[in-house]
Amino acid sequence: DAGVIQSPRHEVTEMGQEVTLRCKPISGHDYLFWYRQTMMRGLELLIYFNNNVPIDDSGMPEDRFSAKMPNASFSTLKIQPSEPRDSAVYFCASSLHIGSHEQYFGPGTRLTVT
Amino acid sequence: DQQVKQNSPSLSVQEGRISILNCDYTNSMFDYFLWYKKYPAEGPTFLISISSIKDKNEDGRFTVFLNKSAKHLSLHIVPSQPGDSAVYFCAATYTMYSGGGADGLTFGKGTHLIIQP
Repeated sequence: DAGVIQSPRHEVTEMGQEVTLRCKPISGHDYLFWYRQTMMRGLELLIYFNNNVPIDDSGMPEDRFSAKMPNASFSTLKIQPSEPRDSAVYFCASSLHIGSHEQYFGPGTRLTVT
Repeated sequence: DQQVKQNSPSLSVQEGRISILNCDYTNSMFDYFLWYKKYPAEGPTFLISISSIKDKNEDGRFTVFLNKSAKHLSLHIVPSQPGDSAVYFCAATYTMYSGGGADGLTFGKGTHLIIQP
């Protein structure tokens, strides 16, 4: 398997623009997670899905952030409008079925908002 | 408030010696703990885990110890090798539903391990 795939790997955008990050989980994994890594806060969970349904979005920082999972093989994290403080590395991870806690991470998307 | 703490931002160990990375947690509901390893420009990769019903789990050169009363876990790497140089994250989670299930991980801020030749 190719592992978790994220695109783009790097994104540079101007403040106020819409940003869309994409993720393809490992085939057969029922859970998908979005994390953000910053120097100040480290790695923090934003939202996660089970069987394409959002389970916990309490980590989403503001209404400017939204995430969708239209099918089992694709998810997006959208920021609209983007702000400089959104600059971070965003990771997507997936996990097998119930009872499995090990998560497999993608390479991340480095977002820079100027 | 940080629920998972790794108080050493960095650690330098000589090749061949033992590396000990520490982690403390505050949330008593955590019942599963994991260690991840991260190289620059890559995502974290799973290393080893332990359930709260155990106090030790071993996998090759890696051993994780859990002290529930102290809310403390540690990762031992022996012998340390140059390829072990990376950032190590401690993570914790808990089962939300009675049937078990994957949940989001709460991470520490990481310890940068440097293996000196």
